[in-house]
Amino acid sequence: GAGVSQSPSNKVTEKGKDVELRCDPISGHTALYWYRQRLGQGLEFLIYFQGNSAPDKSGLPSDRFSAERTGESVSTLTIQRTQQEDSAVYLCASSPQAAMNTEAFFGQGTRLTVV
Amino acid sequence: AQSVTQLGSHVSVSEGALVLLRCNYSSSVPPYLFWYVQYPNQGLQLLLKYTTGATLVKGINGFEAEFKKSETSFHLTKPSAHMSDAAEYFCAVTPRRSSNTGKLIFGQGTTLQVKP
Repeated sequence: GAGVSQSPSNKVTEKGKDVELRCDPISGHTALYWYRQRLGQGLEFLIYFQGNSAPDKSGLPSDRFSAERTGESVSTLTIQRTQQEDSAVYLCASSPQAAMNTEAFFGQGTRLTVV
Repeated sequence: AQSVTQLGSHVSVSEGALVLLRCNYSSSVPPYLFWYVQYPNQGLQLLLKYTTGATLVKGINGFEAEFKKSETSFHLTKPSAHMSDAAEYFCAVTPRRSSNTGKLIFGQGTTLQVKP
């Protein structure tokens, strides 16, 4: 596609349920990032993929969070046993390469609400 | 640890007035600096970036920013605000080191309101 696509755009889930968030990066982009944006706050880095590997998972807040990437393309962020504090917008970004001065292209995000 | 501070979570200006959104970073080595804009229900879009060279950087939609090392600042300006500039603006940095993966560190964002 022309841009980074995320699905679903909105997700409401009950506390304790598992959720999966999907990101389709721009074709050919080797670097992929997940960020979390809580209400009234800036974006927090969660995880970085280079190809299908995740050399930097330092931002994942707990072991309930995991992510994978396959085919150097689609990535899935999974949150197990969701809690209310997980409510946020989850943003995915991709870039042609992982470099300091390379622009990252962002998707529109998935708004997750845990009730 | 590297951090980014955006002074003012909300800024309100009149249409046609100067826009000034402030951003300061904390690191001894100046990082790469970015400004992103987020329009309602849309993803983040890059406005401009500073990597090296001229410290006054021009971006899209008439925005520009000046890197001032002595002040550790990268404030965003636009001479004349337009109604369409109403959005949330994020300052972000990434460390200037060879092991950098392109991971961005964001400020908390500033919501710009433009009044008619």
